[in-house]
Amino acid sequence: QTVVTQEPSLTVSPGGTVTLTCASSTGAVTSGYYPNWFQQKPGQAPRALIYSTSNKHSWTPARFSGSLLGGKAALTLSGVQPEDEADYYCLLYYGGALVFGGGTKLTVL
Amino acid sequence: EVQVLESGGGLVQPGGSLRLSCVASGFTFSGYAMSWVRQAPGKGLEWVSAISGSGGSTYYVDSVKGRFTISRDTFKNTLYLQMNSLRAEDTATYYCAKGIRGGHSYYYGMDVWGQGTTVTVSS
Repeated sequence: QTVVTQEPSLTVSPGGTVTLTCASSTGAVTSGYYPNWFQQKPGQAPRALIYSTSNKHSWTPARFSGSLLGGKAALTLSGVQPEDEADYYCLLYYGGALVFGGGTKLTVL
Repeated sequence: EVQVLESGGGLVQPGGSLRLSCVASGFTFSGYAMSWVRQAPGKGLEWVSAISGSGGSTYYVDSVKGRFTISRDTFKNTLYLQMNSLRAEDTATYYCAKGIRGGHSYYYGMDVWGQGTTVTVSS
């Protein structure tokens, strides 16, 4: 069974920078996994942030960026704002199925 | 404005059936793959199923294969999820999500999501 692993929780100070990662149990994450990132706030539907590793949607704030880092997919927030406090999920493609990571709860404190 | 709106959730007994609908607007429905994603109470997201823009190809997570069927009606701009033999572990909020690209490219991910419809499987 394929498992996608994210940090369960991270804390960052306002104005700081934080990187969330997304690892695959099958090995290194590459662009062929088409990594996506989503943000979800309490009581709300998920909102798409990044697709195909590093591409932003038209509504994605400039402070969010996606990349591949050390065999993982990564989401970096630079200049974190209080409103960035949320759960973040990555999504990977496994040749027929899509698998979400368990999510990272980001606290801005 | 691009929008998707789910409906059809409710309370159903174990072993029962339910059909979810998702009405799309603001884009050429047949031009995009579509997905269903669910979230059990207090848990993370789980991709359930996807369908190509034409409706000719469908994909499922292993846990729902043989029980759930995804389909789409281009004339009604509507996506469906027929859920049979429901189990307690199917209890979740079900989200409809528009694919980023068309054809079979559901793997590119999703961009626009609905607000979800809640399914509760309980006796």
